[in-house]
Amino acid sequence: AQSVTQLGSHVSVSEGALVLLRCNYSSSVPPYLFWYVQYPNQGLQLLLKYTSAATLVKGINGFEAEFKKSETSFHLTKPSAHMSDAAEYFCADSNFGNEKLTFGTGTRLTIIP
Amino acid sequence: NAGVTQTPKFQVLKTGQSMTLQCAQDMNHEYMSWYRQDPGMGLRLIHYSVGAGITDQGEVPNGYNVSRSTTEDFPLRLLSAAPSQTSVYFCASRPPGHPNTEAFFGQGTRLTVV
Repeated sequence: AQSVTQLGSHVSVSEGALVLLRCNYSSSVPPYLFWYVQYPNQGLQLLLKYTSAATLVKGINGFEAEFKKSETSFHLTKPSAHMSDAAEYFCADSNFGNEKLTFGTGTRLTIIP
Repeated sequence: NAGVTQTPKFQVLKTGQSMTLQCAQDMNHEYMSWYRQDPGMGLRLIHYSVGAGITDQGEVPNGYNVSRSTTEDFPLRLLSAAPSQTSVYFCASRPPGHPNTEAFFGQGTRLTVV
């Protein structure tokens, strides 16, 4: 069975500092991983997704994630945080049949001015 | 571009009442699903559908009913609302195909059961 673990339900960083949000997966088959962002009172929006073409994936708004099979991780990073990055971030894994996503518990990112 | 539309955006119910959360998509996606979002628990799958007339249970189906009579619509019915069903509900749609295909989400329905 698939599972996704996000370490840290709340992360606070200063504006301009590095953002690191952690995601580890557990899957007996190749994972199909995503990062979604949820701004206050809105739905989820795709940030980026892993394809087997490259282990370093670039997404929108300057975010990127690196797939590390040896560590079963897909951590999300951004070199310099901006106030507009304040949101909740979800890591997710798709089943092979594509019908459903398994989500992590989410990480709320706060940016300190 | 409408995408995935959910109605209503907010709803307050009394315990025992029933209601239907509406979800419609205009992207001709075969796959649709309902999730509930609770603090500290992420999004959990309630029910999903892979096409008109085909539905299946997700992780937390109890107390909810679904049907899929058209490709566009996937309503979620609460049969007898309970306070434990207070949550934010999201509908999503996705085309069939490769497992890294993006899912599109509605804006959510915030439900409070008193």
